[in-house]
Amino acid sequence: TQLLEQSPQFLSIQEGENLTVYCNSSSVFSSLQWYRQEPGEGPVLLVTVVTGGEVKKLKRLTFQFGDARKDSSLHITAAQPGDTGLYLCAAYNQGGKLIFGQGTELSVKP
Amino acid sequence: DTAVSQTPKYLVTQMGNDKSIKCEQNLGHDTMYWYKQDSKKFLKIMFSYNNKELIINETVPNRFSPKSPDKAHLNLHINSLELGDSAVYFCASSQEDRANYGYTFGSGTRLTVV
Repeated sequence: TQLLEQSPQFLSIQEGENLTVYCNSSSVFSSLQWYRQEPGEGPVLLVTVVTGGEVKKLKRLTFQFGDARKDSSLHITAAQPGDTGLYLCAAYNQGGKLIFGQGTELSVKP
Repeated sequence: DTAVSQTPKYLVTQMGNDKSIKCEQNLGHDTMYWYKQDSKKFLKIMFSYNNKELIINETVPNRFSPKSPDKAHLNLHINSLELGDSAVYFCASSQEDRANYGYTFGSGTRLTVV
């Protein structure tokens, strides 16, 4: 079974702090996606990483795909209350289904 | 607005009832999905339809029956509702040949069975 394990599960920080969320697997994926879900809404795609070692930036968010394409990280610089939400990594398994990690709930306090 | 829209947003019903959730997408995508998000926020795929044909049918109880009248609609009918069916159900769509564009999700239906 291909699983995506995220850590930490919960993260509560003060505005201005930096943080990193991890997504790990024992399987190799052709690509990996990160989504953010706000309360009462569905997940929204933030980025797709495809190449091993790839780094993508989205304003204060930096996404990295591991060299072996088994893991990924999301780093947020100078977090703001608007970054609060559930962050989900996702990847296509061998059956072609998009599977999700269990999520990281981030709370950024002013 | 281009989007995935699902109704209702909230659904409270008694055990044993039958209910339906509707989903429509106007993105022109060829594949639609139903996901279930449990109380721990874990998202698990239930069904996938491509151009009105069932592609993925995960091990969900046969009380759950998806119906796709056309490629823009995918409804979910649930018979004999049980307490354990309480969750948030998300509809999503994607374009099969654009996997890296990800899925577009609706805003969810919070089902509470009492």
